[in-house]
Amino acid sequence: DIVMTQSPDSLAVSLGERATISCKSSQNILYSSNNKNYLAWYQQKPGQPPKLLIYWASTRESGVPDRFSGSGSGTDFTLTISSLQAEDVAVYYCQQYYGSPRELTFGGGTKVEIK
Amino acid sequence: QVQLVQSGSEVKRPGASVKVSCESSGYTFTDYYIHWVRQAPGQGLEWMGWINLKTAATNFVQKFQGRVTMTRDTSISTAYMELTRLRSDDTAVYYCARGTALVPGVTDYWGQGTLVTVSS
Repeated sequence: DIVMTQSPDSLAVSLGERATISCKSSQNILYSSNNKNYLAWYQQKPGQPPKLLIYWASTRESGVPDRFSGSGSGTDFTLTISSLQAEDVAVYYCQQYYGSPRELTFGGGTKVEIK
Repeated sequence: QVQLVQSGSEVKRPGASVKVSCESSGYTFTDYYIHWVRQAPGQGLEWMGWINLKTAATNFVQKFQGRVTMTRDTSISTAYMELTRLRSDDTAVYYCARGTALVPGVTDYWGQGTLVTVSS
């Protein structure tokens, strides 16, 4: 099974500052035949279901503000919020779908708060 | 607009079964997958499995083998997840989520969640 490990568990960032979240997979999730990383990022606000932010490691979902960006390849990935806004307070999850359709796994989540 | 509407909260005794429904609207039902994801109180997301809404093929995590059934009724655009032999650690919010057309492993729309409480 592919294990996804996020860090940190939580972070506090001042409004307007950058927030960076790391996600590491236990094995390579870059598919060589199409050169795509099978990695998505989701945002979950309290009392709400998760919301898709990014897929293919760096492709923003329609309607997602461009302050959210994803990067990385292979086993190491990063979600960056370039200028934190109050509405970005949430828990962020990475998810691999390399194992799809047999297996999908989420990271443990990173809670982002305002400092 | 795409909507996934789930059934209401449930309280069950240990050993009982629960069946959660997920009614879809705003898209061609059989062109997609539905995933089931659960979240225990204060915990992270746990993927349970999916159902191909066209073929009814299913796939789920080994830990749920023998306890989970995923079905769909195309006539009413509704997917179901039934979990049997409930234990206290099955207490969670259960979500259905649509797998995207191009990348079935990525979920673009989610239901509001169904709280299942298992307690004696």
